[in-house]
Amino acid sequence: GAVVSQHPSWVICKSGTSVKIECRSLDFQATTMFWYRQFPKQSLMLMATSNEGSKATYEQGVEKDKFLINHASLTLSTLTVTSAHPEDSSFYICSAKTHLAGYNEQFFGPGTRLTVL
Amino acid sequence: DAKTTQPTSMDCAEGRAANLPCNHSTISGNEYVYWYRQIHSQGPQYIIHGLKNNETNEMASLIITEDRKSSTLILPHATLRDTAVYYCIVRIRAGGTSYGKLTFGQGTILTVHP
Repeated sequence: GAVVSQHPSWVICKSGTSVKIECRSLDFQATTMFWYRQFPKQSLMLMATSNEGSKATYEQGVEKDKFLINHASLTLSTLTVTSAHPEDSSFYICSAKTHLAGYNEQFFGPGTRLTVL
Repeated sequence: DAKTTQPTSMDCAEGRAANLPCNHSTISGNEYVYWYRQIHSQGPQYIIHGLKNNETNEMASLIITEDRKSSTLILPHATLRDTAVYYCIVRIRAGGTSYGKLTFGQGTILTVHP
């Protein structure tokens, strides 16, 4: 299957700083990318959907000014957690899909564990 | 998208078949059944999907009842590495407004033991 990578795999930062997480599709062009968040012992919660070259669509309750998403190319999307606080500590997972015919699956990255001190 | 119901947890002996059930009684005609799994501290992995016919690939088989209100994921020969959370998800096919969105429930924790 297609490969999606994330960088970094884990990050520790101080409260009030901003953190950028990258999501790349390595062997296909991702016209749509998704960002999820997962707290311990909970399921994945969709945060936002982004299409290349357009603004992201955020799920209800997700602050768009706090979680900045940029999908500037067909292989790269970034999530920036601005002014991070301890309650933002979580496992952030991206996924990507292509609109090529026959590709119904979403491919997920390995996740980024964010710890805010 | 239709809601799914899965058992919270299941056990399976290594080498035996693991049969994971999923109820989706409110599924509509244009919704597919998808299965993903998540091994601890990793991103979800796609397993299989289907509309109404049974499907099989190198990982698993998917059995969908004739009325499409339930399905079963079958791992024919479970190994210790199959221990994971298994998510059954129904999703509107291309053309629906939520196409591409996967909504995860709590899933089934499958533990494969020696």
